[in-house]
Amino acid sequence: DSGVTQTPKHLITATGQRVTLRCSPRSGDLSVYWYQQSLDQGLQFLIHYYNGEERAKGNILERFSAQQFPDLHSELNLSSLELGDSALYFCASGQGRLINTIYFGEGSWLTVV
Amino acid sequence: QQQVKQSPQSLIVQKGGISIINCAYENTAFDYFPWYQQFPGKGPALLIAIRPDVSEKKEGRFTISFNKSAKQFSLHIMDSQPGDSATYFCAASPGDDKIIFGKGTRLHILP
Repeated sequence: DSGVTQTPKHLITATGQRVTLRCSPRSGDLSVYWYQQSLDQGLQFLIHYYNGEERAKGNILERFSAQQFPDLHSELNLSSLELGDSALYFCASGQGRLINTIYFGEGSWLTVV
Repeated sequence: QQQVKQSPQSLIVQKGGISIINCAYENTAFDYFPWYQQFPGKGPALLIAIRPDVSEKKEGRFTISFNKSAKQFSLHIMDSQPGDSATYFCAASPGDDKIIFGKGTRLHILP
């Protein structure tokens, strides 16, 4: 158990809908990272927050947004969902600056039908 | 652009053999090189990591070899077991909170 909690574990929704994925980082971790992993694909970096502020953006679609709250949990919002958004979404957390190891949650399986 | 190139994309090894996965990087500012192991349906988990001040780090059957001049590092799995079948990701970090992942290697150990 990495200490990173993601909910929901599985989600099935229809095209055009909006979903929110939630992540609680490890105790004491200030950084939260979001990754997308499609079938047979690597880890696609989406976005990184540090202590509530956006630090870096990767290949995140405009239909997607994220935020990190004062209690350090984070949410990834996916809207106007398309079939191609079906993937495993991972959250990872780390202590923050100058600390390089990040720890992944179990992921949220999103299926868009 | 910061990149980490990983090879091979997939690898099949006989039980008891040595599995070798290679990674190369370009940015000389990278100073931390972790490897992650991912089983199907699970999140990647830190396996072993190295800093460039050493050329090798061993933990059990897993060894990282690091060649600073060539900007390459590799993961060796000795006496590979079917339970080692997983996807392996190398990564590199420039010493802040950024981390760059390779594209992954799917390893299958034949029983």
